[in-house]
Amino acid sequence: DVKVTQSSRYLVKRTGEKVFLECVQDMDHENMFWYRQDPGLGLRLIYFSYDVKMKEKGDIPEGYSVSREKKERFSLILESASTNQTSMYLCASSPPRLAGGRTDTQYFGPGTRLTVL
Amino acid sequence: DAKTTQPNSMESNEEEPVHLPCNHSTISGTDYIHWYRQLPSQGPEYVIHGLTSNVNNRMASLAIAEDRKSSTLILHRATLRDAAVYYCILRRPTGNQFYFGTGTSLTVIP
Repeated sequence: DVKVTQSSRYLVKRTGEKVFLECVQDMDHENMFWYRQDPGLGLRLIYFSYDVKMKEKGDIPEGYSVSREKKERFSLILESASTNQTSMYLCASSPPRLAGGRTDTQYFGPGTRLTVL
Repeated sequence: DAKTTQPNSMESNEEEPVHLPCNHSTISGTDYIHWYRQLPSQGPEYVIHGLTSNVNNRMASLAIAEDRKSSTLILHRATLRDAAVYYCILRRPTGNQFYFGTGTSLTVIP
């Protein structure tokens, strides 16, 4: 079974702190994603990475950065946490697209509920 | 980004079939239709996907309209463990993004 793990299920931080959220997948997937989930807004993509050291902005990258130094690990960094970054953060991974444009599926971790005070 | 429209919530009695609708009128010819679900306190999980033909797997069935502007996820016998938020997503053949909406919250009544 594909396994995506996230470093913490619950995290409480103070405004202005630097926050690291870690995600590890064990299926050698090329693609990794960070989403945040808020009531009434669904899942919104923050950043994704399609290879080591490669990253692309999603829909809401402001206030976040990412790091992918190894294929299995994708980190989300909040440089200076703010209260509006209180949210559920979900990491996902997926294999590369198959030849011929066949589709792929995403595998999600359990999420980290971050509270910024 | 390709948009989908789903009801905010639905209810079903336990052991009865459930039909979860999704409208995607802006679908293009090469978009795949994906369904994911999110159980309480968990990340989303893949349920099923299709392109044009109806699809069945051990979790559910996917019925796709002939014009592909709508689809229906069918749970044949709802159980309490099926209570979740169900997301209908269009997946473009290029690019890496999945666009999740707000989904349908399914309540299963014992």
